[in-house]
This record gives sequence, C-alpha cells and structure tokens, in this order.
Amino acid sequence: NAGVTQTPKFQVLKTGQSMTLQCAQDMNHNSMYWYRQDPGMGLRLIYYSASEGTTDKGEVPNGYNVSRLNKREFSLRLESAAPSQTSVYFCASSYLSGANVLTFGAGSRLTVL
Amino acid sequence: AQSVSQHNHHVILSEAASLELGCNYSYGGTVNLFWYVQYPGQHLQLLLKYFSGDPLVKGIKGFEAEFIKSKFSFNLRKPSVQWSDTAEYFCAVNDRPGNTPLVFGKGTRLSVIA
Repeated sequence: NAGVTQTPKFQVLKTGQSMTLQCAQDMNHNSMYWYRQDPGMGLRLIYYSASEGTTDKGEVPNGYNVSRLNKREFSLRLESAAPSQTSVYFCASSYLSGANVLTFGAGSRLTVL
Repeated sequence: AQSVSQHNHHVILSEAASLELGCNYSYGGTVNLFWYVQYPGQHLQLLLKYFSGDPLVKGIKGFEAEFIKSKFSFNLRKPSVQWSDTAEYFCAVNDRPGNTPLVFGKGTRLSVIA
C-alpha cells in the first residue's frame, strides 16, 4: 500500500507563478488535510476536507485554494506564489475527521524566489 | 480556538538520559491528544495517542505520556533515550465532540548525543 502520495517532492517557483500540489490516498479515508511546516512554527492547517464534497479553511488559508476531486484526491493550488509560501507542505488523511489518527505523506518542499 | 504549547524548542540529551517534553493545550473539555514524531528526512508518524481511559498512555519505542486534565497537560516521557530518538516531536490536540482537525504545537527538536 502506498498510503498518502504527494507530488511533486520538490518545486522551485518564481513569484507570481501558479502551481498545484497533488495528493492521493489509497486507504479509503474520508478526511484529508493540507498542512504547511515552517521552522519554529510547527504544522499549521491550510485547508481540510472532512468528507468528499466538502472543504473548509484552516488556520492559514490565504493564498491557497483546494479541490477535493474525489474520495482519493485532494489538491492544493497556489494561484500567485509569494516568497512567504516557501515551506514544506504535508498532505494527510484520516478515516474520520479529528478523532482518528492522521497518516501523512512524505512532504513537498516548495521554494518561491 | 484550541492551541498547543510545547515548552522546549530544542533539547539536547546524552544517551541513557531520561526525557520529558512538555505539552499544554488551551481549552478544557473533552479532547483527543497525540504525539507525533518526525525523524530526520522522514514524514510525521504517530508515537502515541490518548482518547479516553487510563491517563498513562504507552506508545512505540518505549515512549509514554500522561494526561493530566487539571493541568491541561500531556507530557511525553522516556526513561532512557537512544541516539536513534533524535527527531522532532509534535504534540497535537483536537476537541470532542465536533471532531475538529488536529492543532499542532510548534515542535521540540531532540538531539541525543553519544
């Protein structure tokens, strides 16, 4: 089983460019999440999808959009990248929102110049 | 909104020393509590969790944590650390009912030296 798969693993963008981070899980989980990890800041929730067809903002949603394409896939889009969005992005999933254990992907390291 | 405080940013220990990492959350009520670990170059993985019952929870690799409701705390402990425990440790909490998404602390980096 692959678990949670994120692509790409590394990306360098110029300010103003757009890109989409892809995430897919094969565990039949209902809930999916996007976090960003910055030094000294821990993990901060960007957006989440408690179930297929729903999405909600997390702590730091500005500058991002998400799409829950189907039960398996949850993408994160940066419409106009800014240097402040340089970070490591983690996708995670869980069987149910909240109470269940999160399974994380390997992370996507994004640098915005 | 719920928040999580981890008191130590960076802890340096010698092998065989005992470890205690502090974690406090802000809201009372019923919560789920977690510790996750991130080894160098790897993604986060669950170390242990508390939902209900015995407040002393045992996890993988000899780690344990104690939930003290009156102190809003969920401290992580290990009696004797090994070099392989070098990692970053994150405390996380979410509220029940409602099953809100996990809120993570800022993390504690543990360096174990020989």
